Amino acid sequence: GIQVEQSPPDLILQEGANSTLRCNFSDSVNNLQWFHQNPWGQLINLFYIPSGTKQNGRLSATTVATERYSLLYISSSQTTDSGVYFCAVTGGGNKLTFGTGTQLKVEL
Amino acid sequence: GAVVSQHPSRVICKSGTSVKIECRSLDFQATTMFWYRQFPKQSLMLMATSNEGSKATYEQGVEKDKFLINHASLTLSTLTVTSAHPEDSSFYICSARQGFSGTEAFFGQGTRLTVV
Repeated sequence: GIQVEQSPPDLILQEGANSTLRCNFSDSVNNLQWFHQNPWGQLINLFYIPSGTKQNGRLSATTVATERYSLLYISSSQTTDSGVYFCAVTGGGNKLTFGTGTQLKVEL
Repeated sequence: GAVVSQHPSRVICKSGTSVKIECRSLDFQATTMFWYRQFPKQSLMLMATSNEGSKATYEQGVEKDKFLINHASLTLSTLTVTSAHPEDSSFYICSARQGFSGTEAFFGQGTRLTVV
């Protein structure tokens, strides 16, 4: 099946800093989503972005499908941005496969 | 965005008993539903995929007789953990999408199962 790797696995930032999270996938995809998992386990949909670039407030994402990667940008980070960020993809089948995740901690 | 509701959010059961978890899409019809399991500090592992009215497709290594999945309507899927044991304790999360592979998936709140 499709493999999804995220980097870095862990990231610590000072409040106000910017960061870039990366998601690499091993095959062509027709769906790619970014999620934020909060401390209670709830997955929050951030972006549905199989290709192209989107922005939502301080967050933006870019997927370059031909090169099999996606990037999530967080600007002016806040403590409430802390948590785990996942990308998930669907390849040729119907399964939504999750990446390894990036644990983000934003400190004051 | 679309809303997926999962209940219960937390359950404690005795070893050997069965537990049922419900997943409902509240404002859309879910052609496909997924069930995931997540251990602490790990990613979500897909257990099974179900389409309304048909049998679930289980991932390799997931016991279909232990984890019974029913997708009886376009808005409801259930996961029943039969004869639960302490090693089944985990966080279970459901997901639903309105179409097939190219459409956006939405997630329930998750169920934390503890088997004592």
